[in-house]
Amino acid sequence: QQQVKQSPQSLIVQKGGISIINCAYENTAFDYFPWYQQFPGKGPALLIAIRPDVSEKKEGRFTISFNKSAKQFSLHIMDSQPGDSATYFCAARAFYGGSQGNLIFGKGTKLSVKP
Amino acid sequence: DGGITQSPKYLFRKEGQNVTLSCEQNLNHDAMYWYRQDPGQGLRLIYYSQIVNDFQKGDIAEGYSVSREKKESFPLTVTSAQKNPTAFYLCASSRTGHNEQFFGPGTRLTVL
Repeated sequence: QQQVKQSPQSLIVQKGGISIINCAYENTAFDYFPWYQQFPGKGPALLIAIRPDVSEKKEGRFTISFNKSAKQFSLHIMDSQPGDSATYFCAARAFYGGSQGNLIFGKGTKLSVKP
Repeated sequence: DGGITQSPKYLFRKEGQNVTLSCEQNLNHDAMYWYRQDPGQGLRLIYYSQIVNDFQKGDIAEGYSVSREKKESFPLTVTSAQKNPTAFYLCASSRTGHNEQFFGPGTRLTVL
């Protein structure tokens, strides 16, 4: 129940295309869903995050779509660029009885954008 | 510049030796975390601390130890009891009650 399942494991997209990464969860107590971006040899950095009271959040070329009934959320990267080549992690965190739980991470998706 | 620093960037250790990884933050964050990253495995929580002089085990604490004597420092010791210590180790911090975790640049540990 604590897992976050992420797919695909790797993704190759042409420059200008749309990259889509999907995540699914079971724990209905999850109330915060961030996406992190990690470049090789670096620490992850927060890219965009969403709460379950909205179905979509957009920041520039990055959009999170959230489907509460299906317990799924996805990251869409529009007009993908070679500089977007990185590993992307989805995550989720629950809120129990007034206190925050810890982040549960998906296993990551390695995105390669070809010029 | 505020941020999280980890040292060293690369660390080599012989089997049977303990080694300590450093993590320092000047963000004035109360909470600090240690994660282990293996290829294809995502980030797994080793230990976390919400306040000075207090810390809790994460999902994979066996073979590791931590201390939190100062707010800005959260060192991780990889002991000889850790069966497979070769990995990329990431330290993170966050403000209490806030969602975002800020990560350091990581330490790559290799056991020879």
